[in-house]
Amino acid sequence: TQLLEQSPQFLSIQEGENLTVYCNSSSVFSSLQWYRQEPGEGPVLLVTVVTGGEVKKLKRLTFQFGDARKDSSLHITAAQPGDTGLYLCAGGETGANNLFFGTGTRLTVIP
Amino acid sequence: GAGVSQSPRYKVAKRGQDVALRCDPISGHVSLFWYQQALGQGPEFLTYFQNEAQLDKSGLPSDRFFAERPEGSVSTLKIQRTQQEDSAVYLCASSLGRNEGYVYGYTFGSGTRLTVV
Repeated sequence: TQLLEQSPQFLSIQEGENLTVYCNSSSVFSSLQWYRQEPGEGPVLLVTVVTGGEVKKLKRLTFQFGDARKDSSLHITAAQPGDTGLYLCAGGETGANNLFFGTGTRLTVIP
Repeated sequence: GAGVSQSPRYKVAKRGQDVALRCDPISGHVSLFWYQQALGQGPEFLTYFQNEAQLDKSGLPSDRFFAERPEGSVSTLKIQRTQQEDSAVYLCASSLGRNEGYVYGYTFGSGTRLTVV
């Protein structure tokens, strides 16, 4: 059972546009991670956020962890074709050793 | 090694055949995880090892699935009497584990795509 719902499920935008991907849950997580996965490869870690309200920036990507640590967002500014991929959020529950992954958002950036 | 290595990359099995999938994690990573990923979906947890101990196998879908990590390094996921619904990508990940506050990030392998015909 998936505990993390991502929206939108699919997103197709033009190069240069901005976008936001959401990750929501009814559960509280001690940490939340974002990964990007390209076809035929495993997911690659982008960021880990651990504090409610925390904001982290990675070049054109901005990640935010909700105050209640139940949700997160990923904002991409001026998207580029190289941003194309499946974006996955993953939550770690307090005391647990494994991550629960979200349903995924497939992003396509058209040149 | 430099990354997590999985083999084979692709496996076609006839229904009822047994298969074995191998994962070679990053040296020094105590935690090893197996996930199953359906096309276009997020990975779903199967099982977790800390060194050689299998601490959580709650995600294994049936008793046809078995995983081991006998020396705390290489792991093997075995599926007996494969069924069509077992067709998926099987991902292995390793990590340093967790600290008091949170789980460390995973390094994934490229996965094994299993097709049962």
